[in-house]
Amino acid sequence: ETGVTQSPTHLIKTRGQQVTLRCSSQSGHNTVSWYQQALGQGPQFIFQYYREEENGRGNFPPRFSGLQFPNYSSELNVNALELDDSALYLCASSLESIAGELFFGEGSRLTVL
Amino acid sequence: GQQVMQIPQYQHVQEGEDFTTYCNSSTTLSNIQWYKQRPGGHPVFLIQLVKSGEVKKQKRLTFQFGEAKKNSSLHITATQTTDVGTYFCAGKLMEYGNKLVFGAGTILRVKS
Repeated sequence: ETGVTQSPTHLIKTRGQQVTLRCSSQSGHNTVSWYQQALGQGPQFIFQYYREEENGRGNFPPRFSGLQFPNYSSELNVNALELDDSALYLCASSLESIAGELFFGEGSRLTVL
Repeated sequence: GQQVMQIPQYQHVQEGEDFTTYCNSSTTLSNIQWYKQRPGGHPVFLIQLVKSGEVKKQKRLTFQFGEAKKNSSLHITATQTTDVGTYFCAGKLMEYGNKLVFGAGTILRVKS
């Protein structure tokens, strides 16, 4: 177990709705990265939060937004859901923003109908 | 599109055969990491390579980082059914603020 927990594990939404996914990082880790993994694909980097500030962003539109809280837990928010947003959303915590391994949670599987 | 490319996409081997997956980037990587994802699971860290030409071994797994730091490989000797899963390489790219960018992965299936 990595000590990274995500909720919910599964959810179903319809197009146009909004969703919030949550992540609790491993104790002592101050950095959280979010990835989107479509079926049969590698994880795609969405963004990273380091000490409550966004610290790098991948090629995702502004309707993907996030937060990191003082306890280093994090949220991923997606507005105006589209069918292509259906994927496994993975949260990964790490000790530093630059170096070292990522500890992934089990993921939140989002289905958009 | 993928900044980090992996080949092959899929490999099916007989138990006891060797397996290799290759990872390539058009730009120099500051380091490269390898992860394994079991079916239905999440990626689990295997190793990190930092130095040009570095070679590391973990039991039956051998990892290499190219001299130019643009490619890497993972070789598994004498595969076992427990090796089944998808193997991802992930490199830190400057255009993403040195954040990890994953390849598409190589799916390994092992016939017993």
